[in-house]
Order: sequence, then C-alpha cells, then structure tokens
Amino acid sequence: ETGVTQTPRHLVMGMTNKKSLKCEQHLGHNAMYWYKQSAKKPLELMFVYSLEERVENNSVPSRFSPECPNSSHLFLHLHTLQPEDSALYLCASSPSDRSGETQYFGPGTRLLVL
Amino acid sequence: AQSVAQPEDQVNVAEGNPLTVKCTYSVSGNPYLFWYVQYPNRGLQFLLKYITGDNLVKGSYGFEAEFNKSQTSFHLKKPSALVSDSALYFCAVRDSNYQLIWGAGTKLIIKP
Repeated sequence: ETGVTQTPRHLVMGMTNKKSLKCEQHLGHNAMYWYKQSAKKPLELMFVYSLEERVENNSVPSRFSPECPNSSHLFLHLHTLQPEDSALYLCASSPSDRSGETQYFGPGTRLLVL
Repeated sequence: AQSVAQPEDQVNVAEGNPLTVKCTYSVSGNPYLFWYVQYPNRGLQFLLKYITGDNLVKGSYGFEAEFNKSQTSFHLKKPSALVSDSALYFCAVRDSNYQLIWGAGTKLIIKP
C-alpha cells in the first residue's frame, strides 16, 4: 500500500490557478505513469516515463505538464485547467515499461476544478 | 482495434454464492491480461494476470480467472463471495505498444 504515494490526496483549484501533483515510488521501479480516472470510463493513460525519459504522451492537452526528475519521483503540473479536468489522477509504477510487468498504483489525487 | 469490454456495469451477488465478473478483449498477438480491484477512495490493486501457461490463473483474496482464447475472454471468478469483495473491478490487456488498455470497470456488490 505504501509503495506508491501521492500528494495531495484532494485538491480544489480555480481555472486560473497553477498547482502540481506529486508521486513518489519506493519500489525501485524504472517506469512511472500518470492516468486520469473519470466515473464509469476506462482509465486514460496520460504519460509514461521510462528511466526518466517520456516514452508516451497520449494527446494530452498542454495544460498538463509532466516532470520526472529521477526514477522515484513524478510530477504533474497543472495550469489553466477546465472543469472537465475534474477527476481522480492516478500515478503508477512498474519495473519497466515493457513486457507483462504489473503496475502498482498510488491512492490518487481527487481534483476538482471550479 | 485493440479493446477491452466489461459488459456489466454492476454485478450483484449474495454472500456465499459464486461470483463472475466478465471481460472480453481484442488485441493483436498474444494477450497479456490483468485484473485489478479498486476499493472506495483507494488506488487500484493488482489481483492477477495471465501471460502464458495454465489457462486458470489464481490470484489474491481467493480470486481466479480463466483465459479462453477461442472466446477471447478472461472472466474473474470466486467460489464464495464475501461482503468485503464489494468494490470496482477493472480488466486490462497489454497492447502492441506495451501499454495497458482498460475496461470501464464493473461494480461488484455483495449483499449479506
């Protein structure tokens, strides 16, 4: 349960605010992921980092900006968000971004954009 | 197109009865299949996965899943449901880019 941590757990922000989500993994993994989870929809993969390099960017709007300073930390910088961006943002990690590796998830940040 | 379908939004089962949560997939090549569970206000927890070998995969909390290649299915099962099994269950398959494609989730409700 404590292998992947996320802060803050809850965030309320206005459309003109700038905030950042933080993820930290203590599992020694080389790959990290950001997902968006909306009610009754499949998880949407936003970004993938492998060995601190971005390997996947699924047409995410530029108001979301990821940063991976090292293999243990992942950030998601938010600016000028829209109300439809309100969702649960999940961070995950895995040993690598290849093969059948299991992904381990953090508890998520519940974001509300007003 | 590569995809995962969980045809039931919600499954209701009485405690002690067997449960099944359905998943079908469409993917090129050999499928890598996963089941995850999400409890309220929590992240997803890994339950089990199929990569190769025996079609019946055993996982955490007494769950198992059966891979059926001809029916392209990977249904999650448990012989005797517990109230504490009530949660949201997600099926996923690895795509050709090594990323996971997720189903929309099935809410499992176990009634005492």
